[in-house]
Amino acid sequence: GNSVTQMEGPVTLSEEAFLTINCTYTATGYPSLFWYVQYPGEGLQLLLKATKADDKGSNKGFEATYRKETTSFHLEKGSVQVSDSAVYFCALSEVSGGFKTIFGAGTRLFVKA
Amino acid sequence: GAGVSQSPSNKVTEKGKDVELRCDPISGHTALYWYRQRLGQGLEFLIYFQGNSAPDKSGLPSDRFSAERTGESVSTLTIQRTQQEDSAVYLCASSVGGSGRSYNEQFFGPGTRLTVL
Repeated sequence: GNSVTQMEGPVTLSEEAFLTINCTYTATGYPSLFWYVQYPGEGLQLLLKATKADDKGSNKGFEATYRKETTSFHLEKGSVQVSDSAVYFCALSEVSGGFKTIFGAGTRLFVKA
Repeated sequence: GAGVSQSPSNKVTEKGKDVELRCDPISGHTALYWYRQRLGQGLEFLIYFQGNSAPDKSGLPSDRFSAERTGESVSTLTIQRTQQEDSAVYLCASSVGGSGRSYNEQFFGPGTRLTVL
């Protein structure tokens, strides 16, 4: 079945450091891939998405590229801020699964000033 | 409303009691999802409704859990004979849904925090 694996946290970085959160997936077809973010005390919200191979999703300085050959969708940001502290979830959604979305376990990011 | 709403926001109950959690999706969204998020853990899929199709119940952890949806509107998640391990945040999400879409962004509600004593 479909699954998503992302790096365990917590990840602790200093402000302006480079961020990478790894995500790999297993899918039988051609899924759409997502990163969702959950800020402290808030609900989950979509951060970015990519719907086909080689697409790059981007938002708020974050980027992730859909790599079919490595079944990966790693999240990156060149310079993190304290306000980026949150839990990040990688997810996939596949038409054959009726758009049911499978989420990774989440990676907590702490950014220190 | 403008977003997905859930009620109650917090629920404390005693072991063995039944609870009902409510979700109001975004108007016009045909797809509705329930997830469970235990403290410090990821999202656990519970059930998915799409229009008038039979729901995907593959994530329900036991027969104590059930959910209903009235048309394309409100959904209720019911947990019977609650156990302490049911304590978690229960999240509802909705999406536009339908066929022919290459992606399906989900919009999440704020969740219901359930505590079973």
